[in-house]
Amino acid sequence: QQQVKQSPQSLIVQKGGISIINCAYENTAFDYFPWYQQFPGKGPALLIAIRPDVSEKKEGRFTISFNKSAKQFSLHIMDSQPGDSATYFCAVDFGNEKLTFGTGTRLTIIP
Amino acid sequence: DAMVIQNPRYQVTQFGKPVTLSCSQTLNHNVMYWYQQKSSQAPKLLFHYYDKDFNNEADTPDNFQSRRPNTSFCFLDIRSPGLGDAAMYLCATSRDFPSDPQHFGDGTRLSIL
Repeated sequence: QQQVKQSPQSLIVQKGGISIINCAYENTAFDYFPWYQQFPGKGPALLIAIRPDVSEKKEGRFTISFNKSAKQFSLHIMDSQPGDSATYFCAVDFGNEKLTFGTGTRLTIIP
Repeated sequence: DAMVIQNPRYQVTQFGKPVTLSCSQTLNHNVMYWYQQKSSQAPKLLFHYYDKDFNNEADTPDNFQSRRPNTSFCFLDIRSPGLGDAAMYLCATSRDFPSDPQHFGDGTRLSIL
């Protein structure tokens, strides 16, 4: 069964802190692991994505860490800002012509 | 500037009254997807088109249909909406299958009276 488990369900971080969201998948995944950011009333938007030939990808304050053997990947948001408050979804391409999304993490950054 | 446009943003319909949601794209992408998203849940894929080839998810109710008359437009038809169909409906596009980024519209919020 192709599942993506995401944790935590909700997260509160102080401004300037590090936000960490984790995802784990079962079975064999293909080659694409994106993270999407969704603000209330908006559609999800691609934030950052990684392919399994690297263990880490960094774009500005956002970093994906990928552990292929453990079938886990995580999103780190450095210097978290109030504007980062949103719901974050990880996703996995299992090679079946679609993305399987995690259950989502509601992130709140407090001053 | 918007690349995936969904209309209307809000739709109210009566129980059992057919409704059509529309999606248009300016990206000339091959793939168009329809998702259903309920409150505090992940988007759930209903079906997708690769060009004109239609792929229905196994658990998508028969009540939901889709049409893609050309590359730019895709429609979601709900033949007899039930109360459980109240949700946000998201359209997305990608150049190719999932290893290309999906671009989402801002959704249509469907309410059922």
